[in-house]
Amino acid sequence: DAGVTQSPTHLIKTRGQQVTLRCSPISGHKSVSWYQQVLGQGPQFIFQYYEKEERGRGNFPDRFSARQFPNYSSELNVNALLLGDSALYLCASSPTSRDRAVSGNTIYFGEGSWLTVV
Amino acid sequence: AQSVTQPDIHITVSEGASLELRCNYSYGATPYLFWYVQSPGQGLQLLLKYFSGDTLVQGIKGFEAEFKRSQSSFNLRKPSVHWSDAAEYFCAVAPGAYNNDMRFGAGTRLTVKP
Repeated sequence: DAGVTQSPTHLIKTRGQQVTLRCSPISGHKSVSWYQQVLGQGPQFIFQYYEKEERGRGNFPDRFSARQFPNYSSELNVNALLLGDSALYLCASSPTSRDRAVSGNTIYFGEGSWLTVV
Repeated sequence: AQSVTQPDIHITVSEGASLELRCNYSYGATPYLFWYVQSPGQGLQLLLKYFSGDTLVQGIKGFEAEFKRSQSSFNLRKPSVHWSDAAEYFCAVAPGAYNNDMRFGAGTRLTVKP
């Protein structure tokens, strides 16, 4: 089975531009989360979507937005890019709530999208 | 609010030696605890998780971790380290089964000497 897939893997943007990152969850997973990992730090939670609704939001400015599509894939959008937005953006998926109650809150991460803002 | 502390930024061990990576968490209720490993330029791979039951948890690649509620710790151990274990290790805590707001520690970088 395919894991969590993210695209693009690497990209370079200029300050002030906008970027869209894409994520396809593991087949059967309905929850998608986004994390930002700045170099040398642990990942920080940005958003969680479940059944196409936002279920959680971390401490990030409104420049960050996301959505989930009917096929459970997701996009993360960042507007007005700043140099400090340079990071690895990780997408993670997890099973339905019923499965998670059995298996625990296990989420599976993709390889990430490396964003460099210059 | 939940938080995780990994006191050791960088650890160096010799190949074949034992390993213990420390993790302390702060959370009011019973936490869901995880250890992930990240190789350079890669995403996160789950090593093991704890959410209930036996406090000694076995994971992949020969790793284990012990949940100690009295010490708010979830330390990762391996009896004999291999050169391929060199990577960044992250401890994480989640508040429950329906919330993906995981809080990660800053990570411990493991170097393995030949």
